[in-house]
Amino acid sequence: QKEVEQDPGPLSVPEGAIVSLNCTYSNSAFQYFMWYRQYSRKGPELLMYTYSSGNKEDGRFTAQVDKSSKYISLFIRDSQPSDSATYLCAMTETGAGSYQLTFGKGTKLSVIP
Amino acid sequence: NAGVMQNPRHLVRRRGQEARLRCSPMKGHSHVYWYRQLPEEGLKFMVYLQKENIIDESGMPKERFSAEFPKEGPSILRIQQVVRGDSAAYFCASSPPNRLAYNEQFFGPGTRLTVL
Repeated sequence: QKEVEQDPGPLSVPEGAIVSLNCTYSNSAFQYFMWYRQYSRKGPELLMYTYSSGNKEDGRFTAQVDKSSKYISLFIRDSQPSDSATYLCAMTETGAGSYQLTFGKGTKLSVIP
Repeated sequence: NAGVMQNPRHLVRRRGQEARLRCSPMKGHSHVYWYRQLPEEGLKFMVYLQKENIIDESGMPKERFSAEFPKEGPSILRIQQVVRGDSAAYFCASSPPNRLAYNEQFFGPGTRLTVL
């Protein structure tokens, strides 16, 4: 079993739809959870950063973490064509001395005008 | 505030040559991380460095790969005697010196290495 599982998609939605992206993980030591957006042939861009369980909202983006289920989600409201990209979840342990991120493979999202 | 800078953006090498990838972290950042993204694969951690120190190299291949972050100048990822399997995008990330923000990593645009 991979440490972080993420459905690669592709996911295609109409403009204005609510998008739900998610990842599951197996390592219970993960404490910090991030979502990155990566446009084609560009570097990942940090979107959301959360610690432990709970919700965090930033504009049209909401990140949720459920540590009991080892499940994290990213919701995008009122999706726009400019949201078309690959979304990567990432996570890391705390207190391990290193801060290496473990990534999912990414979900490719297309928002159709 | 300039972001993480990487150069070159594209690098072509023949098998057996050396590749040197450079990374300048964001201003004020003192922690550098290197990741590799193989085609159709996710990003994989390679090495974590602070100035003049390698903190974690658990993701580095045992041979041909090395990294440094000198007191002055950029971080360098060096690949000796490249093989076709080294073809990938190599990303550098940096984070602030605040321990609470170590996990908040900002990525550069990457160097795309092609080995012929």
